[in-house]
Amino acid sequence: DIQMTQSPSTLSASLGDRVTITCRASQSVGYWLTWYQQKPGIAPKLLIYKASTLESGVPSRFSGSGSGTEFTLTISSLQPDDFATYYCQHYNGYPLTFGGGTKVEIK
Amino acid sequence: EVQLVQSGAEVKKPGESLKISCKTSGYYFTDYWIAWVRQMPGKGLEWMGIIYPGDSHPRYSPSFQGQVTFSVDKSISTAYLHLNSLKASDTATYYCARLRVAVPTIGTGYFDSWGQGTLVIVSS
Repeated sequence: DIQMTQSPSTLSASLGDRVTITCRASQSVGYWLTWYQQKPGIAPKLLIYKASTLESGVPSRFSGSGSGTEFTLTISSLQPDDFATYYCQHYNGYPLTFGGGTKVEIK
Repeated sequence: EVQLVQSGAEVKKPGESLKISCKTSGYYFTDYWIAWVRQMPGKGLEWMGIIYPGDSHPRYSPSFQGQVTFSVDKSISTAYLHLNSLKASDTATYYCARLRVAVPTIGTGYFDSWGQGTLVIVSS
């Protein structure tokens, strides 16, 4: 199985900050990587797929990059609505696996 | 509008069984796989497996194989998660999600719509 490792597990940031979250795969997943945002008590929301393609309706301050085994999710200017937990997920074969999550907190 | 609406929260005793429903609307039910995802309290997301409503073919995560069963009722566009012999460690929120197939050659993809989640508490 492909293991997905996110770092950091928790990130403290202020409004307006540029935030970067890293996701590493235990073996290459090509570009087959997705990012989700989850707020407490609410289902995850799709943000980015194919490593860097923004889902329709997602603000342009979110961006994704990377390929192979290393990926990043960047929020260019943190907004109040962005305080949440973010998960990566590969889809380069089964089983599908998620990263452990990165919680973005208010500094 | 695509919607996945799950059944309500449940409190069960150890050893009991449970069926969670996921009623879909807004798209052709048989065109998309439905996945089930577990989230234990305060923890991350775990993919349990998927089922293709077109032929009811399931694919289970090795971590959940033999522990859960998926089914569908095409007539009412609804998918089900069956949990048997519940244990306290089954306490979690369970989500259904629609899989958007993005790699046709291997039939994998990501989840573009989610149910609201069903909280299951197993306690004596």
